[in-house]
Amino acid sequence: GAVVSQHPSWVICKSGTSVKIECRSLDFQATTMFWYRQFPKQSLMLMATSNEGSKATYEQGVEKDKFLINHASLTLSTLTVTSAHPEDSSFYICSARSEYEQFFGPGTRLTVL
Amino acid sequence: GNSVTQMEGPVTLSEEAFLTINCTYTATGYPSLFWYVQYPGEGLQLLLKATKADDKGSNKGFEATYRKETTSFHLEKGSVQVSDSAVYFCALSVPGGYNKLIFGAGTRLAVHP
Repeated sequence: GAVVSQHPSWVICKSGTSVKIECRSLDFQATTMFWYRQFPKQSLMLMATSNEGSKATYEQGVEKDKFLINHASLTLSTLTVTSAHPEDSSFYICSARSEYEQFFGPGTRLTVL
Repeated sequence: GNSVTQMEGPVTLSEEAFLTINCTYTATGYPSLFWYVQYPGEGLQLLLKATKADDKGSNKGFEATYRKETTSFHLEKGSVQVSDSAVYFCALSVPGGYNKLIFGAGTRLAVHP
């Protein structure tokens, strides 16, 4: 099946710094990508829907100035966690939608000290 | 609103045992229903899906039937293998709105030889 990659797979940063996570669809073009957050032993919570060339649509309760999303091309979306704090520590997962299915990346574990 | 409830894990089985993971949903409109599987260290993969009432999705020996009357989509497999050990997520999407997915909490399955 189609492959979606995420980089980095894990990152540790200091409180107050910003972290960028990349999501790439490797063998197909994705006009729509999604960003999820997963807490330990909990479900995936949709944070935002990212459309190539337009502003992301954020779910209720997600701060758009905190979690900046850029979908600059049909194969790349980035999530930047700005001024990260320990409560932002989590597992972030992206997915990319082809015509018929969503394909998920392996996730990025963010730890904010 | 739209939501998915699935049985809590972990589920621990011996090889060749019968598996059932319960999933019920609440949705406005007519959702499509999915089961995703997440193997250790990998991204979520679509296991099977059903798009309308009474449809049966099947893949790799797993089956689930879309039951509108009970709003359920229980996952079953007649004989599990050690390689089936993973986390299983039930999900739904409703038409429109980029077909975003709403996930259950996930159920961890551990199969022992």
